[in-house]
Amino acid sequence: EDQVTQSPEALRLQEGESSSLNCSYTVSGLRGLFWYRQDPGKGPEFLFTLYSAGEEKEKERLKATLTKKESFLHITAPKPEDSATYLCAVQARANSKLTFGKGITLSVRP
Amino acid sequence: NAGVTQTPKFRVLKTGQSMTLLCAQDMNHEYMYWYRQDPGMGLRLIHYSVGEGTTAKGEVPDGYNVSRLKKQNFLLGLESAAPSQTSVYFCASRYQNEQYFGPGTRLTVT
Repeated sequence: EDQVTQSPEALRLQEGESSSLNCSYTVSGLRGLFWYRQDPGKGPEFLFTLYSAGEEKEKERLKATLTKKESFLHITAPKPEDSATYLCAVQARANSKLTFGKGITLSVRP
Repeated sequence: NAGVTQTPKFRVLKTGQSMTLLCAQDMNHEYMYWYRQDPGMGLRLIHYSVGEGTTAKGEVPDGYNVSRLKKQNFLLGLESAAPSQTSVYFCASRYQNEQYFGPGTRLTVT
């Protein structure tokens, strides 16, 4: 059974204080690992897809990395508008379904 | 392009009542999904469809039925609502490996 564990559950940062969010996973043959952002009262918004260990992707202050067991979402010099819940999900090669973690709630104080 | 839309946005049901949630997408995507999101549980897959006329069970299908009569619409039905079905329901459609989510339906069953 595919599993995704995200840590910490919640993270509070000062504006400009860089940090990383962790996503540990077990999957029988990884097709892709996905990061989403979810704002309160809204649906998840796609951020990144990573396909193989060693791959990295960047978007503004966010950088996602992937190893064979975990992924990190690095946030550099965050701003209050980066406050949201960040979701990680994996898709196995054998199916078309995503398995999601419980999410990490990030709060950035000005 | 409206993307993925969901109807209704909010609903309150009494135990035993039935209802249908509608998901519509105008992106011509083959794959569509229904999830529920509960505090501390993350997103869980209810049912999904890989194309018009097809449906398949996800992780938590009991108490729900779905239909995909038209490619652009994916309907989620509750035949006899229970308080355990109180949740936020999200629909998503998929293009290549990216899932696009709707804004959600908040359902309360009393």
